[in-house]
Amino acid sequence: QKEVEQDPGPLSVPEGAIVSLNCTYSNSAFQYFMWYRQYSRKGPELLMYTYSSGNKEDGRFTAQVDKSSKYISLFIRDSQPSDSATYLCAMSRVIQGAQKLVFGQGTRLTINP
Amino acid sequence: GAGVSQTPSNKVTEKGKYVELRCDPISGHTALYWYRQSLGQGPEFLIYFQGTGAADDSGLPNDRFFAVRPEGSVSTLKIQRTERGDSAVYLCASSPRRLAGGSSYNEQFFGPGTRLTVL
Repeated sequence: QKEVEQDPGPLSVPEGAIVSLNCTYSNSAFQYFMWYRQYSRKGPELLMYTYSSGNKEDGRFTAQVDKSSKYISLFIRDSQPSDSATYLCAMSRVIQGAQKLVFGQGTRLTINP
Repeated sequence: GAGVSQTPSNKVTEKGKYVELRCDPISGHTALYWYRQSLGQGPEFLIYFQGTGAADDSGLPNDRFFAVRPEGSVSTLKIQRTERGDSAVYLCASSPRRLAGGSSYNEQFFGPGTRLTVL
């Protein structure tokens, strides 16, 4: 079983819809929880990170972390065609100065105009 | 400013050959990470450098893989006797400073990757 599980999709929704992306994890030692966006043939780009349980909002994006359930979510409001990409959840803890990221499989999202 | 750059962007080689993949981190970043992303998967950690030394190489799959960072800036990932299973996108990321403890987040900035195809 992988440390981080993410439904690979694909997920296709109409423009303007609310998108919900989710990951579960098994390692309770993870300290940081991140969402990355990756466009085709590009490197991952950080969208948001959280340190504790709860919600964090940035514009149209909201990240939620529930450590008791080992479950994280990303919500995208008023989705736009430019949001079409692969979304990767990632988690980490600091060990001897290193912050090794453990990624989910990624969810491919398409926003249809 | 300039981001993380990786060369070549694409590399096609034959089984059994040796390849080198280069990463130029953001200027001044002391931490450097290599990840490997197979098709349809998320990136997987390979190795971490703090300065010139490989502080954690626990993700390297076997001894055919080796990485160096001799002057604490540019890093090279080296793969000997390549196999078809090595085909993947190799990503490099850099961070601005070494974390002193477990309480502060340090963003990793990713390059575009090198797409390696082993025929």
